[in-house]
Amino acid sequence: SQQGEEDPQALSIQEGENATMNCSYKTSINNLQWYRQNSGRGLVHLILIRSNEREKHSGRLRVTLDTSKKSSSLLITASRAADTASYFCATDEGGGFKTIFGAGTRLFVKA
Amino acid sequence: DGGITQSPKYLFRKEGQNVTLSCEQNLNHDAMYWYRQDPGQGLRLIYYSQIVNDFQKGDIAEGYSVSREKKESFPLTVTSAQKNPTAFYLCASGTGQPQHFGDGTRLSIL
Repeated sequence: SQQGEEDPQALSIQEGENATMNCSYKTSINNLQWYRQNSGRGLVHLILIRSNEREKHSGRLRVTLDTSKKSSSLLITASRAADTASYFCATDEGGGFKTIFGAGTRLFVKA
Repeated sequence: DGGITQSPKYLFRKEGQNVTLSCEQNLNHDAMYWYRQDPGQGLRLIYYSQIVNDFQKGDIAEGYSVSREKKESFPLTVTSAQKNPTAFYLCASGTGQPQHFGDGTRLSIL
């Protein structure tokens, strides 16, 4: 089953621009996470936002969560070529051990 | 350093052969997971284990088997019954969320 759906599927921007990725999910959640995957590597956890939080920051990352719309967004400010990767949102299934991943947004930052 | 080690990085399977992918963690996590990732796709859960000697099927368990005899280890066997095994396999561990991932094993058919 696929819980999170990312939008857009792919995004190409110039270095220095901001990148925004969106995620929608279907069922109630306790938290939502964003992960990054470089080509041919495992996923790296970026940020977790709980269902009672609306916004969270970590360095150049800003995540918002709207539980009424069952959606989240990830903003990367002042993008760098090194930000080129796939970004996935993931949700728990109401607090269980399982995590459901979306299909990801492929970000390409041109130098 | 604490982390998850997957081996081998690349693996080739012949017709009718079973192959085993290794996953070891030293993060002292109770839960471990196996995911399959196809090109341009997200992760699909194969099996997960919340505790030693116990594991549950995920969404695509057919053609796969696992064991959890030690907390640190969660090997995945891709059996000959899995007719389309070519994919990138990721192992993860965690205590709830988030999960910590290894660097994957890429399995191909000879």
